[in-house]
Amino acid sequence: QVQLVQSGAEVKKPGSSVKVSCRASGGTLSSSAISWVRQAPGQGLEWMGGIIPIGITANYAQQFQGRVAITTDAYTTTAYLELSGLRSDDTAVYFCATGPPGDTLSTILGTWGQGTLVTVSS
Amino acid sequence: EIVLTQSPGTLSLSPGERATLSCRASQSVVSSNLAWYQQKPGQAPRLLMYGASSRTTGIPDRFSGSGSGTDFTLTISRLEPEDFAVYYCQQYGSSPLTFGGGTKVEIK
Repeated sequence: QVQLVQSGAEVKKPGSSVKVSCRASGGTLSSSAISWVRQAPGQGLEWMGGIIPIGITANYAQQFQGRVAITTDAYTTTAYLELSGLRSDDTAVYFCATGPPGDTLSTILGTWGQGTLVTVSS
Repeated sequence: EIVLTQSPGTLSLSPGERATLSCRASQSVVSSNLAWYQQKPGQAPRLLMYGASSRTTGIPDRFSGSGSGTDFTLTISRLEPEDFAVYYCQQYGSSPLTFGGGTKVEIK
């Protein structure tokens, strides 16, 4: 079974960008959609968007449109989340997650990465 | 988008007691595509239930889910010490995916 391994914690200045990676260990990400979900300190879960590697189609939650880009590498072993125009309220743990094989983002999230803490501070 | 409202916000119970968690949707969830997750501090969420009432592999049968349309329930029949955590519902019937605000089950 594929495991998801994310990159390490980041500290960023307001206005800058961050790129978080999510690597598939023990397989690839080619058969399932990948979602990114974030969790601000002490808060709930917020879906940011996702990508369907087959067809390389990305879809984003409206509140992140224009600030977020989700991509995969050519071998579909690693997915990336890039968030620009960082603000203090973007401080959160960012999770990648995937579900059963299929070509839809409307799915359950059965496999999660360990999370990446992004801290935005001047 | 579908807004999910979970209640109560916090449930204070003792081990061995029954926990009943509610998740209400702002509009009908397509095909009962409603999932439940458990999250413990410092950990990623863990998928418990999908399709409103199907348990994921390895989830004990003290966990059960029910509901359809706009009203869903997660029941833990007898709380074990490892069940004290935060629980989230999620709908995946339509885009965007949305989560409820969570219910914290704490030890009384």
